[in-house]
Amino acid sequence: QSALTQPASVSGSPGQSITISCTGTSSDVGGYNFVSWYQQHPGKAPKLMIYEVSSRPSGVPDRFSGSKSGNTASLTISGLQAEDEADYYCNSYTSGTPYVFGTGTKVTVL
Amino acid sequence: EVQLVESGGGLVQPGGSLRLSCAASGFTFNNYWMHWVRQAPGKGLVWVSHINRDGSGANYADSVKGRFTISRDNAKNTLYLQMISLRAEDTAVYYCVRVTVTRVLDYWGQGALVTVAS
Repeated sequence: QSALTQPASVSGSPGQSITISCTGTSSDVGGYNFVSWYQQHPGKAPKLMIYEVSSRPSGVPDRFSGSKSGNTASLTISGLQAEDEADYYCNSYTSGTPYVFGTGTKVTVL
Repeated sequence: EVQLVESGGGLVQPGGSLRLSCAASGFTFNNYWMHWVRQAPGKGLVWVSHINRDGSGANYADSVKGRFTISRDNAKNTLYLQMISLRAEDTAVYYCVRVTVTRVLDYWGQGALVTVAS
């Protein structure tokens, strides 16, 4: 099972909006609404930010939002803040290997 | 509060063995499937294995199949990963992860570093 494709890096200034894409196939992203997004700061464990494409766990700021169109899911961070600088990974349930992760995106706040 | 605490990581020679443990607390352990996910230094997340609620079923990534065995002791609220025939490419931080019925990997442990080197 190949990893989902994410851009290696995305950057933005404080207050701006950025969007991270996550492209898979009809066997994963396109076939299920079980897409999640994780934030990982250096040396820390991943933290769940979005699940089931667009739902936010309790405690996650509403400036984080998710969506999906076809085989591509997206994470949007609105009103970018310094603490949002981290690596972000998408994840999808698949019909093959049960779970596949994205390649990861480094978000830089300029 | 949900807590997952891994232990058992360390330095092991190629071909060696190691067993990771993950102590769970703050939730009803036997209500959840559990997973191991690993991350090689500077690399991305990779799913390794999962086990069902009563331990009767498990699945593995092709890269570890036949070498790693996942198990659980619901009486002790503990998840295990027995690793044998370790290779340099198994060097990674191993995370214990809880998964919900809707397939969300919602809580992660802090990770255990496994280094395979001579």
